[in-house]
Amino acid sequence: AQSVTQLDSHVSVSEGTPVLLRCNYSSSYSPSLFWYVQHPNKGLQLLLKYTSAATLVKGINGFEAEFKKSETSFHLTKPSAHMSDAAEYFCVVRLRLTGGGNKLTFGTGTQLKVEL
Amino acid sequence: DGGITQSPKYLFRKEGQNVTLSCEQNLNHDAMYWYRQDPGQGLRLIYYSQIVNDFQKGDIAEGYSVSREKKESFPLTVTSAQKNPTAFYLCASSPGLSRYEQFFGPGTRLTVL
Repeated sequence: AQSVTQLDSHVSVSEGTPVLLRCNYSSSYSPSLFWYVQHPNKGLQLLLKYTSAATLVKGINGFEAEFKKSETSFHLTKPSAHMSDAAEYFCVVRLRLTGGGNKLTFGTGTQLKVEL
Repeated sequence: DGGITQSPKYLFRKEGQNVTLSCEQNLNHDAMYWYRQDPGQGLRLIYYSQIVNDFQKGDIAEGYSVSREKKESFPLTVTSAQKNPTAFYLCASSPGLSRYEQFFGPGTRLTVL
């Protein structure tokens, strides 16, 4: 079965320092993976997606993620954190459904705090 | 201006009452989804629909019902059978075919008094 595990429920960084949000996946086939961001009381916004093309995926707002099959990881990074990056981040894997269609399975989220 | 709209933003309900949450999209997407979000649990799938007049149960469908009479609309009814309905509800849509990413509405926060 496809699943994702976000290794940290909370991450705190100083503004201007790098961000690393960790995600490991489990999949019986080549996965499609996503990172979404959610600001308080808002919907989710797609940051980036991996669909078996380049292993280093660039997203919006300076974020990127690297797909590492040998480590079953899809960690999210950003070179320099900004105050506006404070939010909750979800790692997501696509599950193919019997009979067609797709379902997204969400990790439990990582709350990113950015301090001055 | 394309997107997904959900209404209302906040909803209060008395125990024993049914309530319907609205979700509309003008992205011409085939697939639509309803999720429930509780603190520390990520998102859990309630129902999904891949085409008009067809929908399937997700992981936590008990106490909920949906309809998909139009491509643009996928309303969710929270019935009195749902034991713990207080939560943040998110609607999403997806283009389908080879594009699996989902686009989310702003959410509805339901509180049962």
